[in-house]
Amino acid sequence: AQSVTQLDSHVSVSEGTPVLLRCNYSSSYSPSLFWYVQHPNKGLQLLLKYTSAATLVKGINGFEAEFKKSETSFHLTKPSAHMSDAAEYFCVVRATGANNLFFGTGTRLTVIP
Amino acid sequence: DGGITQSPKYLFRKEGQNVTLSCEQNLNHDAMYWYRQDPGQGLRLIYYSQIVNDFQKGDIAEGYSVSREKKESFPLTVTSAQKNPTAFYLCASSMGQGVNIQYFGAGTRLSVL
Repeated sequence: AQSVTQLDSHVSVSEGTPVLLRCNYSSSYSPSLFWYVQHPNKGLQLLLKYTSAATLVKGINGFEAEFKKSETSFHLTKPSAHMSDAAEYFCVVRATGANNLFFGTGTRLTVIP
Repeated sequence: DGGITQSPKYLFRKEGQNVTLSCEQNLNHDAMYWYRQDPGQGLRLIYYSQIVNDFQKGDIAEGYSVSREKKESFPLTVTSAQKNPTAFYLCASSMGQGVNIQYFGAGTRLSVL
């Protein structure tokens, strides 16, 4: 069975400081992992994906995530937060060969000026 | 301009009424999906379709129906049997199985009058 747990429902950072959004996954098979971002009343946009290649994945807008199999984690980071990063972030897992995605409950990122 | 178009952006349903949400894609994707999003929760899969004239129930299909008569269209009907329809509905598409990315529309917000 596949699932993800986003450890924080809300994260607040000051502009220019680092961002860390935590995600742990559970998967019976080699997983594909994704981070999506959702701005208010908008659809989801893919930030980055892990598909069993390099464990450090770079995405758009300066975000990156590291796949750590020993810790079953896929945390999202960014060195310096922008005001435009304020949004909801979803960690997502899919078992290899499967169609369905399993979404975490989301982490709302607030950026303080 | 390729992408996924959902309409309408806002929709109101009266008691006992069926309503249909539109989803159209011009990405030539084989697979399409409908998700429901409630506040503070991740996305939950309602229905998905891997190919024209075929679709499968997701995790919360009760009270919903779909059709897939054309590759580019996957409308969702919220029937009167769905007792709690107020939510944000997101449509997505992907090229097919495997690690293909799902691309999302901008969503339809459904409210009950």
